[in-house]
Amino acid sequence: EDQVTQSPEALRLQEGESSSLNCSYTVSGLRGLFWYRQDPGKGPEFLFTLYSAGEEKEKERLKATLTKKESFLHITAPKPEDSATYLCAVQAITGGFKTIFGAGTRLFVKA
Amino acid sequence: DAEITQSPRHKITETGRQVTLACHQTWNHNNMFWYRQDLGHGLRLIHYSYGVQDTNKGEVSDGYSVSRSNTEDLPLTLESAASSQTSVYFCASSESRVTGDTQYFGPGTRLTVL
Repeated sequence: EDQVTQSPEALRLQEGESSSLNCSYTVSGLRGLFWYRQDPGKGPEFLFTLYSAGEEKEKERLKATLTKKESFLHITAPKPEDSATYLCAVQAITGGFKTIFGAGTRLFVKA
Repeated sequence: DAEITQSPRHKITETGRQVTLACHQTWNHNNMFWYRQDLGHGLRLIHYSYGVQDTNKGEVSDGYSVSRSNTEDLPLTLESAASSQTSVYFCASSESRVTGDTQYFGPGTRLTVL
């Protein structure tokens, strides 16, 4: 069964304190792994797509990496405005265009 | 700019009533999806559609139905609302791309069933 597990459930950081969020996945053939950001009361907003092990993508203070079993979202020198829930999701080659989401990591960055 | 909208944004209803949540997208995407989001469960797929007249059940489809009569709209109907259906509902759309299909989400509808 295709599955996505994110850890930790919640993460509290001081401004400038770098850290990483983990996404472990089990899928029968990976079509793509996605990271989304969700602010309170809003819909998820797309950040990155990763397709194959070894791939990396960056956007401002965020960097996403991918291995055959997990993905990391690295946050470098976070700011309070980075506070949000970060969702990881996968699409399987055999799953059509359905996307399976993890439960998310809630990030709190304190000034 | 293309967008995806949902209405209403907030809805309170009573157990047993029929409720319809609207979703409208101007991306001209073939694929549309309905999810519910509950604490501890993340986003769970209710129904999805790959085009006009096409509908499919997701992992939590019991008590819900959808219909797709045009490209832009995928309304979600709760036939007889139950308290267990209190949740936040998100609609999403995507293109049909072979290599990873980014979904674009609406702002959500918060539904309370009393």
